[in-house]
Amino acid sequence: IVLTQSPATLSLSPGERATLSCRASQSVLSYLAWYQQKPGQTPRLLIYDTSNRATGIPARFSGSGSGTDFTLTISSLEPEDFAVYYCQQRNSWPLTFGGGTKVEIK
Amino acid sequence: QVQLVESGGGVVQPGGSLKLSCAASGFTFSNFGMNWVRQAPGKGLEWVAFIQSDASDKNYADSVKGRFTISRDNSKNMLYLQMNSLRGEDTAVYYCSSGIGVPSASLFHYWGQGTLVTVSS
Repeated sequence: IVLTQSPATLSLSPGERATLSCRASQSVLSYLAWYQQKPGQTPRLLIYDTSNRATGIPARFSGSGSGTDFTLTISSLEPEDFAVYYCQQRNSWPLTFGGGTKVEIK
Repeated sequence: QVQLVESGGGVVQPGGSLKLSCAASGFTFSNFGMNWVRQAPGKGLEWVAFIQSDASDKNYADSVKGRFTISRDNSKNMLYLQMNSLRGEDTAVYYCSSGIGVPSASLFHYWGQGTLVTVSS
């Protein structure tokens, strides 16, 4: 299953709302996760199974969607949120990641 | 606390072999499926392989199938990745990861710090 993330880069200011998209080449049901990766760090699981926040993830991160179209929303960007975000499906083997969306400071 | 510590990376010539290890602690290793995930320099994430908690099931990315073998030793809390017939495109940081604390071992909740594999002549 190919996951296509858009946009490749999102330029926003702190306090703005970020909307990231992930589209699957076939249905992944609700088995879609989101990760955040900052430079020099390992990825961090944010959201699993479309809309469930992992332990310790702030409420400003939310996920939605089903089937083939999914969205990660950051309601109000904090300085520490500028990073690369990846989606990942676990509906079928092989597990796949999207190519990533970089959220950069405008 | 959960700790995953990879080792075994290094520089290897094309066509060569390397075996990566991941030492696990802070959780009951034998209860959890484990994964290897890699990231080429400046690139995105790529899942490599999965092994079930009791090693009864294994899955591989198409890009490594037939060349890489995932294994584990539950008595030693160790995860391994045997990599043969290495190619330049296998150059990456290799992470071990597992879905401890979330519904599935196919989610990457805990990560090691990674070990760098460089395939170059």
